[in-house]
Amino acid sequence: IAGITQAPTSQILAAGRRMTLRCTQDMRHNAMYWYRQDLGLGLRLIHYSNTAGTTGKGEVPDGYSVSRANTDDFPLTLASAVPSQTSVYFCASSLGDTQYFGPGTRLTVL
Amino acid sequence: DAKTTQPNSMESNEEEPVHLPCNHSTISGTDYIHWYRQLPSQGPEYVIHGLTSNVNNRMASLAIAEDRKSSTLILHRATLRDAAVYYCILSRPSSGTYKYIFGTGTRLKVLA
Repeated sequence: IAGITQAPTSQILAAGRRMTLRCTQDMRHNAMYWYRQDLGLGLRLIHYSNTAGTTGKGEVPDGYSVSRANTDDFPLTLASAVPSQTSVYFCASSLGDTQYFGPGTRLTVL
Repeated sequence: DAKTTQPNSMESNEEEPVHLPCNHSTISGTDYIHWYRQLPSQGPEYVIHGLTSNVNNRMASLAIAEDRKSSTLILHRATLRDAAVYYCILSRPSSGTYKYIFGTGTRLKVLA
């Protein structure tokens, strides 16, 4: 069982470009989440989804969009990347109150 | 939002017990107390969680104060592989899911 996979592992992106970070889980968890982690800080919630077909905004949603077409996939899109979106991005899914995290995507926007 | 306060860093000798404290004075009755750890260049890893009673699992023990305003993660015998950032998190039911609010965590250094 893979759990949660994220792609790409890392990416360098020019400012203004569009980028989609992929997240897939094979645990059939209903809820999924996207976080960002900046250097030396804890994780901050960007968007979440309680179940397929629904999404919600977290603490820092501006500049990001998500979709949840099915249970397994929860992509995060940066429509026009800016340098302040340089961060490590973690996807998570949850069964009840416990979340399980993916390995992360390191994104650098120049 | 519920917040937690942890020391920035702690040190322990290998094979000795480690007690990692966390204050959460604004905890509400429905908030769970979760502990995760994050190894370098990895995602957070679940360690343990509880609501009111002390909890034990193969990784650690969680001691929760009677008033629930603080908790302590106990690693019974620290190893070099336990060196990580440990996050104490309150999870609160919200909009059909549980929202986690991360603090800055405690960086645990284990000395050989």
